[in-house]
Amino acid sequence: AQSVTQPDIHITVSEGASLELRCNYSYGATPYLFWYVQSPGQGLQLLLKYFSGDTLVQGIKGFEAEFKRSQSSFNLRKPSVHWSDAAEYFCAVGAHSIYGGATNKLIFGTGTLLAVQP
Amino acid sequence: DGGITQSPKYLFRKEGQNVTLSCEQNLNHDAMYWYRQDPGQGLRLIYYSQIVNDFQKGDIAEGYSVSREKKESFPLTVTSAQKNPTAFYLCASSGQLNNSPLHFGNGTRLTVT
Repeated sequence: AQSVTQPDIHITVSEGASLELRCNYSYGATPYLFWYVQSPGQGLQLLLKYFSGDTLVQGIKGFEAEFKRSQSSFNLRKPSVHWSDAAEYFCAVGAHSIYGGATNKLIFGTGTLLAVQP
Repeated sequence: DGGITQSPKYLFRKEGQNVTLSCEQNLNHDAMYWYRQDPGQGLRLIYYSQIVNDFQKGDIAEGYSVSREKKESFPLTVTSAQKNPTAFYLCASSGQLNNSPLHFGNGTRLTVT
């Protein structure tokens, strides 16, 4: 079965420091992978997505993620964190269809809560 | 602007009462979804609908019901059979293509006492 693991429940970084949030997935084929961000009490906003091609994908707000098939990972990175980046981040994978390939039904990780210190 | 509207933002109910959460989208999306979010558990899929008048159970459908009579609307009813209904509920929509990302509403926080 497909699954997503975000091993870090909570991360604290200093403003201006670099950030890497980890995501590992379990999937039988090339997955569709997503990162979403959620501010408190709000819905989720798409940061970036990977379907195929270049394994380094750029997203909004200066975020990027790298797909590494050999490690089953899709880690999210940002070179310099801003205080406004404090939020919860979710990695997700497109669920496998019984007819083959991925679907637009997503399986989410449990999230990583990011705190930013001044 | 196109988007997804969930109402109300906060909802309070007494135990034993059914309650319906509203979700409306004007993105012309075919697919709609309901997720439940609990602290430390991420998002879990309750129900989803790929097309009008059709819907499927997700991973935690017990105690919930939905309808999809119109493309724009996908209301969720939390019934008295749901053992632990207090949660944050998120509605989403997407296009039909496999690579269509989900667009989320701002959620409804349901508290049942």
